[in-house]
Amino acid sequence: RKEVEQDPGPFNVPEGATVAFNCTYSNSASQSFFWYRQDCRKEPKLLMSVYSSGNEDGRFTAQLNRASQYISLLIRDSKLSDSATYLCVVNNLGGGYQKVTFGTGTKLQVIP
Amino acid sequence: GAGVSQSPSNKVTEKGKDVELRCDPISGHTALYWYRQSLGQGLEFLIYFQGNSAPDKSGLPSDRFSAERTGGSVSTLTIQRTQQEDSAVYLCASSPGTSLRAYEQYFGPGTRLTVT
Repeated sequence: RKEVEQDPGPFNVPEGATVAFNCTYSNSASQSFFWYRQDCRKEPKLLMSVYSSGNEDGRFTAQLNRASQYISLLIRDSKLSDSATYLCVVNNLGGGYQKVTFGTGTKLQVIP
Repeated sequence: GAGVSQSPSNKVTEKGKDVELRCDPISGHTALYWYRQSLGQGLEFLIYFQGNSAPDKSGLPSDRFSAERTGGSVSTLTIQRTQQEDSAVYLCASSPGTSLRAYEQYFGPGTRLTVT
């Protein structure tokens, strides 16, 4: 099993729709979690951290389910500008080092 | 404030030559990471520096790859005797390393390396 797994998509959704992505992780001791977005041929940009209690930033909501070992990202009222690849990131400590694992991303295409 | 910067933005080199890629992290960030990304692929972790600790080099693909970080700030990734399979975008990121936002990474624009 991969350390971090995401459905590659693409998810094609109309403008205004609500869309959700999940990301599963294999290490139950993982400590911190993030969502990044990456536009075509650009660097990843931090979208939001994922807190244990869940958190919201405008149209975006992130949640963590430790029991089932997944994080989720919900986007409400999708905009054309939301079209991008969404990467989940899982951090854990191993051998005294912080180990960062990026998922391979879920592609979102918002259609007019 | 200034973000992470990388230079050069593009580098074309001949197979067998050495290249140096530079990363200037955000001022005050103690953690610095190098990744590479081939076209259409995910990010591949290369190396991680945290403060003055020994770096985590577990992601370096071969001994042709090395990196250093001088004075806890600027980092240089060196690839010796480049091969065509080294062609990729090399991304650098930094994070605060401490506090609640310790692991939030901020990426530079990358260096696109093409080995001919």
